[in-house]
Amino acid sequence: AQSVTQPDIHITVSEGASLELRCNYSYGATPYLFWYVQSPGQGLQLLLKYFSGDTLVQGIKGFEAEFKRSQSSFNLRKPSVHWSDAAEYFCAVDTGGGNKLTFGTGTQLKVEL
Amino acid sequence: EAGVAQSPRYKIIEKRQSVAFWCNPISGHATLYWYQQILGQGPKLLIQFQNNGVVDDSQLPKDRFSAERLKGVDSTLKIQPAKLEDSAVYLCASSLESSGRTETQYFGPGTRLLVL
Repeated sequence: AQSVTQPDIHITVSEGASLELRCNYSYGATPYLFWYVQSPGQGLQLLLKYFSGDTLVQGIKGFEAEFKRSQSSFNLRKPSVHWSDAAEYFCAVDTGGGNKLTFGTGTQLKVEL
Repeated sequence: EAGVAQSPRYKIIEKRQSVAFWCNPISGHATLYWYQQILGQGPKLLIQFQNNGVVDDSQLPKDRFSAERLKGVDSTLKIQPAKLEDSAVYLCASSLESSGRTETQYFGPGTRLLVL
């Protein structure tokens, strides 16, 4: 069965610093990959997705992610974090093409001013 | 474009009581999903509808959970009787018709359930 690992439960960065959130998946072929963000009391908002093609994908709010097949990773990055980016970030995969998402356990981001 | 609507936003009940959640998906979205998100975990798919038919309910605890989408639009998720471990956020999501393709899922704000 497919699985998603987000090894960092909590991350704290200073405002203006760069950010990288890690995501690793377990699946034999190339999955469909997603990053979602969840603010307190809110639903999940899609940041970006990778289906095929260019392995560096751009998303909303200045986020980007890079798919690396050799490492089975899909890490999320942002060059300069804003205080409003404080939230929980979830990586998800769809391995069957049937819209069945498997989510990681999430990374809670705290931004220090 | 209106997003996915859910109600109520919060619900507190005692164990063994019943509760129902309502979801209205984005207009034109044929596929609807219910997820359970326990504190500290990622969302887990409970059930997936395509129009008014069930595509996948393999992770739905059918002895106490039920869901329906009678007219292929709105959906309700019911728990009867509730247990303490059902305390979670219940998220509804919708997407365009998948037909085997992967489509982006759009999530509602969720219903936070506390079972005492």
